[in-house]
Amino acid sequence: KAGVTQTPRYLIKTRGQQVTLSCSPISGHRSVSWYQQTPGQGLQFLFEYFSETQRNKGNFPGRFSGRQFSNSRSEMNVSTLELGDSALYLCASSLGAGLTEAFFGQGTRLTVV
Amino acid sequence: AQRVTQPEKLLSVFKGAPVELKCNYSYSGSPELFWYVQYSRQRLQLLLRHISRESIKGFTADLNKGETSFHLKKPFAQEEDSAMYYCALNLYQGAQKLVFGQGTRLTINP
Repeated sequence: KAGVTQTPRYLIKTRGQQVTLSCSPISGHRSVSWYQQTPGQGLQFLFEYFSETQRNKGNFPGRFSGRQFSNSRSEMNVSTLELGDSALYLCASSLGAGLTEAFFGQGTRLTVV
Repeated sequence: AQRVTQPEKLLSVFKGAPVELKCNYSYSGSPELFWYVQYSRQRLQLLLRHISRESIKGFTADLNKGETSFHLKKPFAQEEDSAMYYCALNLYQGAQKLVFGQGTRLTINP
């Protein structure tokens, strides 16, 4: 079966702009979670969506938001970009109940200049 | 606070030697622990979860609640084991909120 797909793979944005990242989960998976990966902070949890509802949230400012659609696809939005938002953003999908094995996408590399 | 600690950022061993990657956690509830691996230019993938107690690619990991540890072990390292290894703690059973350690880069020397 197809894996988790993230688009785009690479993005370059200017400080102050906003960006939207997309994630298509594995078919049948209802949970989508997002992580930020940086050399300094490592992998940090952003938020999790399940059946179009945000179920868990990490410690990130309100500039980071997300949503999930009825087909379980998810988008993540970052507004008023800062240089420190440069990171690899990973999306993971899982069934959402019972087994919590997370399947990760390849990530979107965001560079803010 | 919930935390996962991997004390070694880098670990280098020779092929055929035993490998142990350390992971300690801090969590007041019943932990759900995982080891994830990332090979060069590949996506992050699940290696082991404590609940299944299985051996994958020769790796095993035992949960020690007394020592709050979940160390990853392999008796004989192979060159293809070279990768980045992350220990992770899931904070919510049935949901997903993974707390990751900083990772250990394992290099197997021929």
